[in-house]
Amino acid sequence: QVQMVQSGAEMRKPGASVKVSCKTSGYNFILHGVVWVRQAPGQGLEWLGWVSAATGNTKYGEKFQGRVVLTTDKSTRTAYMDLRSLTSDDTAVYYCAREDRGYGDYVDWGQGTLVSVSS
Amino acid sequence: QSALAQPASVSGSPGQSITISCTVLPSYTGNYGLVSWYQQYPGGVPRLILFEGNKRPTGVSTRFSGSQSGTTVSLTISGLQADDEADYYCCAYAGSSTYVFGSGTKVTVL
Repeated sequence: QVQMVQSGAEMRKPGASVKVSCKTSGYNFILHGVVWVRQAPGQGLEWLGWVSAATGNTKYGEKFQGRVVLTTDKSTRTAYMDLRSLTSDDTAVYYCAREDRGYGDYVDWGQGTLVSVSS
Repeated sequence: QSALAQPASVSGSPGQSITISCTVLPSYTGNYGLVSWYQQYPGGVPRLILFEGNKRPTGVSTRFSGSQSGTTVSLTISGLQADDEADYYCCAYAGSSTYVFGSGTKVTVL
């Protein structure tokens, strides 16, 4: 079965960067994109961006342009989310998810990674 | 992009039908047909329940259905059950291969 296993919780100070990994298994990695979604405490879901596992092409949400970088490593079937210039507003659970057909259909999700930003 | 507008909460009694709306904001120019819906229990991971407006992934109950009218897309839950109590989010194409989520709706089963 499909599995998306994310790295553990992270704590950072304002201004720092964080890199979260998402190791996948159970499907043909290069045939599906990976999206990243976050959820601040008590808040709704927020779309950060998408990366093609085949080509490395990326698309980012307007709010995150210039601050987030999504990458993949085909050899390890792992996707990465690198978020820079962190503020307390970036405190959230970050999810990776597999896009199935390419139309916003995120079928399989990681367990989530809590990123806490505090001085 | 701003979140798509959803009612903060919707409630219904067991067996009833409820509808959750997702209204496109004035600045939105996306494809209304490319809308998906997600269910999320407290502390849980989002689960896809509808995609491309009204298609259900394998294993999702037929009690979940989608529709569109003008600039509003909707999720209807028929035969409401206790385990439908959760948060629901729409997600729509926002152009340039990007997507945006709705603000979320908490469903309460009375």
